[in-house]
Amino acid sequence: GQQLNQSPQSMFIQEGEDVSMNCTSSSIFNTWLWYKQEPGEGPVLLIALYKAGELTSNGRLTAQFGITRKDSFLNISASIPSDVGIYFCAGKGEYNFNKFYFGSGTKLNVKP
Amino acid sequence: SQTIHQWPATLVQPVGSPLSLECTVEGTSNPNLYWYRQAAGRGLQLLFYSVGIGQISSEVPQNLSASRPQDRQFILSSKKLLLSDSGFYLCAWSRDRVLTDTQYFGPGTRLTVL
Repeated sequence: GQQLNQSPQSMFIQEGEDVSMNCTSSSIFNTWLWYKQEPGEGPVLLIALYKAGELTSNGRLTAQFGITRKDSFLNISASIPSDVGIYFCAGKGEYNFNKFYFGSGTKLNVKP
Repeated sequence: SQTIHQWPATLVQPVGSPLSLECTVEGTSNPNLYWYRQAAGRGLQLLFYSVGIGQISSEVPQNLSASRPQDRQFILSSKKLLLSDSGFYLCAWSRDRVLTDTQYFGPGTRLTVL
């Protein structure tokens, strides 16, 4: 099946620093989604991307749909303590329109 | 607007007991519905998905089953729980759009099997 590699697995940063994480797939995707999950809660959708090269922002968050359609990036600028959580990428490929594939998550820790 | 509900929020069950988790979606019709399981500190494992009433696709062979008795209702069941069934169960829905689909998650059910 589809493989999504998400990196890094975890990050420990200082408040105010910028953060970057990425996902790569073994095949072409038509949709990339980025989620944030806090402990004991369901993942919350942050950004959705539908076109190669698309760059979309949501506040301090910016995500990009890679031109090769096999990767996506999420950046968080000027991190704050409430950014703490696990960030997941998810994608949907060309051949099974009903399934989303998820990365293993990036755990973000922000030191005040 | 659309909302997704799951219950119960938490559940503690003995090994060998049955299970029924419920998920309902409001504010949309004919959604695709999904069940995921998440082990502590781990990623999401797709268990089942459904594109319509009575239509269930199973992703992982196991002692769990799913049913979709109504358009916006998705149920996860087991006849006899195993210790390994413990985890965080998430229901999700999507609009079944090929090009601009998005998936939304419910609040989850924390299941502990003792």
